[in-house]
Amino acid sequence: AQSVTQLGSHVSVSEGALVLLRCNYSSSVPPYLFWYVQYPNQGLQLLLKYTSAATLVKGINGFEAEFKKSETSFHLTKPSAHMSDAAEYFCAVSLNQAGTALIFGKGTTLSVSS
Amino acid sequence: DAGVIQSPRHEVTEMGQEVTLRCKPISGHNSLFWYRQTMMRGLELLIYFNNNVPIDDSGMPEDRFSAKMPNASFSTLKIQPSEPRDSAVYFCASRGRTSGGRSGANVLTFGAGSRLTVL
Repeated sequence: AQSVTQLGSHVSVSEGALVLLRCNYSSSVPPYLFWYVQYPNQGLQLLLKYTSAATLVKGINGFEAEFKKSETSFHLTKPSAHMSDAAEYFCAVSLNQAGTALIFGKGTTLSVSS
Repeated sequence: DAGVIQSPRHEVTEMGQEVTLRCKPISGHNSLFWYRQTMMRGLELLIYFNNNVPIDDSGMPEDRFSAKMPNASFSTLKIQPSEPRDSAVYFCASRGRTSGGRSGANVLTFGAGSRLTVL
């Protein structure tokens, strides 16, 4: 079965600082990997996804993530944090097959201070 | 498209009452998912359907929970009887099909959620 582990339930950065949110996955077959963001009292929105094309994936709002098979990682980064980036971020994994579900990590809350 | 529509947005009920949450997926999507979000457990997959057929309900907590998808445009999640520990935000999400059986790469579109409080 596949799973994801997000290291750090809470990350705090200053505005303008680098954002790094960590995600490691476990899958017996090549996975699809996703990052979603959730703002307060809202549903989840897709930031970016990896589907076995380029290993460096660019998403919305300046975020990007790199798929590293050797490290089974898919960490999310942004060079310069903005106050509006404060939210909860979820890493998720699904399989390269029909009808598979999306399994989420427990989430990382990002706080951005001025 | 109006997106995934969930109702009610908020529900407050007393222990022992029946709760029914509703979901209308995006038209043309063939997979539907129910997730539950709590502070302690994060986002848990409860059940998902492909082409209106339940595929995996191993995440359903117990027999008090049931889900149905009578047609491609409607699904319900029912809790009977409800208990305080069922208090959570319940999300519905849908996903479209992809040729070649690679629907796992498709993005899930989430509804805004139904916040349930059981007193």
